[in-house]
Amino acid sequence: QLQLQESGPGLVKTSETLSLTCTVSGGSISSSSYYWGWIRQPPGKGLEWIGSIYYSGRTYHNPSLKSRVTISIDTSKNQFSLKLSSVTAADTAVYYCARDSSSDSSDNYFDYWGQGTLVTVSS
Amino acid sequence: EIVMTQSPATLSVSPGERATLSCRASQSISSFLAWYQQKPGQPPRLLIYDASTRATGIPAKFSGSGSGTEFTLTISSLQSEDFAVYYCHQYFNWPMCSFGQGTKLEIK
Repeated sequence: QLQLQESGPGLVKTSETLSLTCTVSGGSISSSSYYWGWIRQPPGKGLEWIGSIYYSGRTYHNPSLKSRVTISIDTSKNQFSLKLSSVTAADTAVYYCARDSSSDSSDNYFDYWGQGTLVTVSS
Repeated sequence: EIVMTQSPATLSVSPGERATLSCRASQSISSFLAWYQQKPGQPPRLLIYDASTRATGIPAKFSGSGSGTEFTLTISSLQSEDFAVYYCHQYFNWPMCSFGQGTKLEIK
């Protein structure tokens, strides 16, 4: 059974960089069949797609986050990571990693999710 | 950007009855729509994809319909474990995607 687990600091200071890692177990992140994504959810609010990455390193991210997002992948560790720079209180959220069910422009729903990790941004 | 609008924001239904949740897209998304269920403290759980296909292990009481801009999630014979927040998710303009703001299904 595929499992994803987020890890990283739960508290980040304003203007600094948020860094999270997602460790995948029960399957290979190097599969050519999937993208891997980050989604966040501010407390009491809805879901926002942050970005996705392919095993080759190809990435896409939400333009609303401008150039603050960096997503990387380490196939040797079966992990992918998120960095979000210049954070503010508005970036306080539960951050989820998830598997995108497809590697092309079809059936791109998220079928496996991590449990999520709360990141609080505070000065 | 494709905006997804869910209605109502909160739906109160009695156990044993049927719930009908709506999701509207700001432009046609064909059938590139998924539905998720989220309970407090848990990640979203995939219920439906491609507008009407149930995900693995999802019971037949959950059904999805619609195409273009109008979509519906129907949950029959509501039980206590079905009361949760439900989100729709469009993936028509992959790699961009967007979610609705959610419908909270509560016990009446």
